[in-house]
Amino acid sequence: EAGVAQSPRYKIIEKRQSVAFWCNPISGHATLYWYQQILGQGPKLLIQFQNNGVVDDSQLPKDRFSAERLKGVDSTLKIQPAKLEDSAVYLCASSLDRGTGIYEQYFGPGTRLTVT
Amino acid sequence: AQSVTQLGSHVSVSEGALVLLRCNYSSSVPPYLFWYVQYPNQGLQLLLKYTTGATLVKGINGFEAEFKKSETSFHLTKPSAHMSDAAEYFCAVTTGGGSYIPTFGRGTSLIVHP
Repeated sequence: EAGVAQSPRYKIIEKRQSVAFWCNPISGHATLYWYQQILGQGPKLLIQFQNNGVVDDSQLPKDRFSAERLKGVDSTLKIQPAKLEDSAVYLCASSLDRGTGIYEQYFGPGTRLTVT
Repeated sequence: AQSVTQLGSHVSVSEGALVLLRCNYSSSVPPYLFWYVQYPNQGLQLLLKYTTGATLVKGINGFEAEFKKSETSFHLTKPSAHMSDAAEYFCAVTTGGGSYIPTFGRGTSLIVHP
């Protein structure tokens, strides 16, 4: 079974530039998550989709971050414009969960973003 | 609102010693609890989880955790540490009842000395 795929693995941009990350979840997984993980901290949920609907985006800085999950499969996360404090690893995860909370998440390898 | 507290950002043990990583949660409804491990430059992978039933849960690589409702804890243990156990460990909680947004702790770095 293929795992969660993310690209790119690494990205370096200057502040005020834009960047996009792509995630392909495990086939059949209804729920997809985007997390921001700052060095030395736990993953912080940015947005959670179930199929192509948003379950929670309360911690997504909507003035600069956006995400979509077209057709309930792949997802993209965009930052525009980037700030220095956006430097972090962006993790994508997927799950079989459909609103119960009992299923574990499967994580991709992450995208390490450096904003200079 | 739910939350997770992991006591100790770093835990250092000798190879062969007991591993104990602490996790306490707060939740207004019965929680579902997870432990994940993260190796350098990799994503997280599940070690074990508690949803319902037996409160002592066994996971991969010899790890286990016990759900103690009275103490709101879900501590992770392993009888004998191995060098390959050195990694970052995260405790996470979700809850049922319509709100199943996951919350992660800040993580504990396990250091294993030869």
